[in-house]
Amino acid sequence: QSVLTQPPSVSAAPGQKVTISCSGSSSNIGNDYVSWYQQLPGTAPKLLIYDNNKRPSGIPDRFSGSKSGTSATLGITGLQTGDEADYYCGTWDSNLSAVVFGGGTKLTVL
Amino acid sequence: EVQLVESGGGLVQPGGSLRLSCAASGFTFSSYEMNWVRQAPGKGLEWVSYIHSGGSTIYYADSVMGRFTVSRDNAKNSLYLQMNSLRAEDTAVYYCARELFGDYGRSFDYWGQGTLVTVSS
Repeated sequence: QSVLTQPPSVSAAPGQKVTISCSGSSSNIGNDYVSWYQQLPGTAPKLLIYDNNKRPSGIPDRFSGSKSGTSATLGITGLQTGDEADYYCGTWDSNLSAVVFGGGTKLTVL
Repeated sequence: EVQLVESGGGLVQPGGSLRLSCAASGFTFSSYEMNWVRQAPGKGLEWVSYIHSGGSTIYYADSVMGRFTVSRDNAKNSLYLQMNSLRAEDTAVYYCARELFGDYGRSFDYWGQGTLVTVSS
């Protein structure tokens, strides 16, 4: 059971937009910044979003992040088949003194 | 080019020990906070441990507290994870991950390729 809650799966057609939610509590999302990672099959995770809504160099602006209260959202527009991957949210939990991740969301581009 | 290369994984019996290493290159290792993150087969990411750039502050997940020890040698650009009293549930791919410099939260901007640890008799 993950501290952060994500939907197990989402799907959308190529070219469409999808959002992935990440729900937490006042000790984690409500108290710190959220990151998002993409993990393509058989590879290491890749940082997509940090500090709630910032993109590292090289990440296209099709990817966006937002946070409100104790929830965060990853948005992906102009979906491509290459976006099929697992997506994870993560943040610091002040009660646990630990980094916590969501359980991951598998994106299928139909 | 930033590179993180883990090594030391393998098959170990329950109760055994293993030491993982992560060799860093392409950046000033001594300036960065580092972490270990693991992923059990078919499962999600689980954070394991954090160590400050100078080694002064260390955190562990409850699941490994008292069994795992993280350390670093900045002169050798290396991060380590000593794992003792290993259990079947420690079976996972172990990644070392660099923390993004200058952000407000805890984000990992570079990851190694991972090393597989299998705990089984």
